[in-house]
Amino acid sequence: DVKVTQSSRYLVKRTGEKVFLECVQDMDHENMFWYRQDPGLGLRLIYFSYDVKMKEKGDIPEGYSVSREKKERFSLILESASTNQTSMYLCASSTPGTGVHEQYFGPGTRLTVT
Amino acid sequence: DQQVKQNSPSLSVQEGRISILNCDYTNSMFDYFLWYKKYPAEGPTFLISISSIKDKNEDGRFTVFLNKSAKHLSLHIVPSQPGDSAVYFCAASARKGNTPLVFGKGTRLSVIA
Repeated sequence: DVKVTQSSRYLVKRTGEKVFLECVQDMDHENMFWYRQDPGLGLRLIYFSYDVKMKEKGDIPEGYSVSREKKERFSLILESASTNQTSMYLCASSTPGTGVHEQYFGPGTRLTVT
Repeated sequence: DQQVKQNSPSLSVQEGRISILNCDYTNSMFDYFLWYKKYPAEGPTFLISISSIKDKNEDGRFTVFLNKSAKHLSLHIVPSQPGDSAVYFCAASARKGNTPLVFGKGTRLSVIA
């Protein structure tokens, strides 16, 4: 059973703080993704990674960075949190290959920046 | 520019009736389509998928229909149950190339008992 875990379910941070969101998957997946979900805007891709130490910008990378030092772990970093980064953050993983396109999601982290 | 569109933000259906959720796409390279279901405070979970070589895929109460010429797919839930109340996301992928899924904005389904 695929498992994607996220370090926190709920997080409250102050404006200007550096925030780390951690994601770990246990299925040896090559691909990992970070999304944010906001009402009326759906799932928006922030960053993704196809391999260790590789990263690609998604649709909304501004204000974020990522780190992938190990295959199973993908971290999202908010260098200086702002109130407009209050959101639900979702991590996902998948494996490339013909016909295998399902992304498995973690439970999400609800981040509030005050 | 939205490549995957779910034009109905919400849908309300009586228990026992059919729920029909619609999705349109613009990119003709998309050849694999998925539906995800999301409850509040949880991550999305995979529901059902369809390849472009098919026009229908069925799994229990859930059926997805694909009309390639219209670039349209729909998810049918029959009969609808209160536990189906959730946000449903349509997603699309091009199998050539390891690219992320492209998601629609979601449709909130409410099944009323």
